[in-house]
Amino acid sequence: SAVISQKPSRDICQRGTSLTIQCQVDSQVTMMFWYRQQPGQSLTLIATANQGSEATYESGFVIDKFPISRPNLTFSTLTVSNMSPEDSSIYLCSVDRDSENTEAFFGQGTRLTVV
Amino acid sequence: GENVEQHPSTLSVQEGDSAVIKCTYSDSASNYFPWYKQELGKRPQLIIDIRSNVGEKKDQRIAVTLNKTAKHFSLHITETQPEDSAVYFCAASSGNQGGKLIFGQGTELSVKP
Repeated sequence: SAVISQKPSRDICQRGTSLTIQCQVDSQVTMMFWYRQQPGQSLTLIATANQGSEATYESGFVIDKFPISRPNLTFSTLTVSNMSPEDSSIYLCSVDRDSENTEAFFGQGTRLTVV
Repeated sequence: GENVEQHPSTLSVQEGDSAVIKCTYSDSASNYFPWYKQELGKRPQLIIDIRSNVGEKKDQRIAVTLNKTAKHFSLHITETQPEDSAVYFCAASSGNQGGKLIFGQGTELSVKP
């Protein structure tokens, strides 16, 4: 199974600033996904990151707020822009587990607190 | 788009009892239904999954059933143990993007010794 390294693991940021979260996979994967988990809540898909094309965003999420990069098949970044306290969440990246595109395997998450 | 409803939101059982968590989905195109266990401060971990061409799947004390007609699927944990205490999430996806998941709201399971 893929090993996903996500960093930072946690951060405390001032409102109005931006934070970029990195996700590194130890093997090439077609799709990478970014999720948000607000405190005490479920996981919500933010966007699908495709190599060589723009990310596909889910309803309620926009590129200006959550720009995503996918420069190659093993790496992606998610930026949380112009942060407010409402952005305080855990952000997780995930990949499809194997060539059959089954099972989302998650990174350890980034716990973001905006003050 | 897909919508997944999960019930109950909290569940408390005695050690050794069974626990059942139920989910319904809206998109008939969904064909992959995983269940995740999330312990406090940790990432979600897959515990079992089922595809739409299967009605039931079992792995030791854990089983999942799927009713495609009714669009619902359930997680069954037998002989519960205190270490089963966690938040459980069901999810659904369609097509071949298994990683693009729509999650249920979660069930906080508490197993009392």
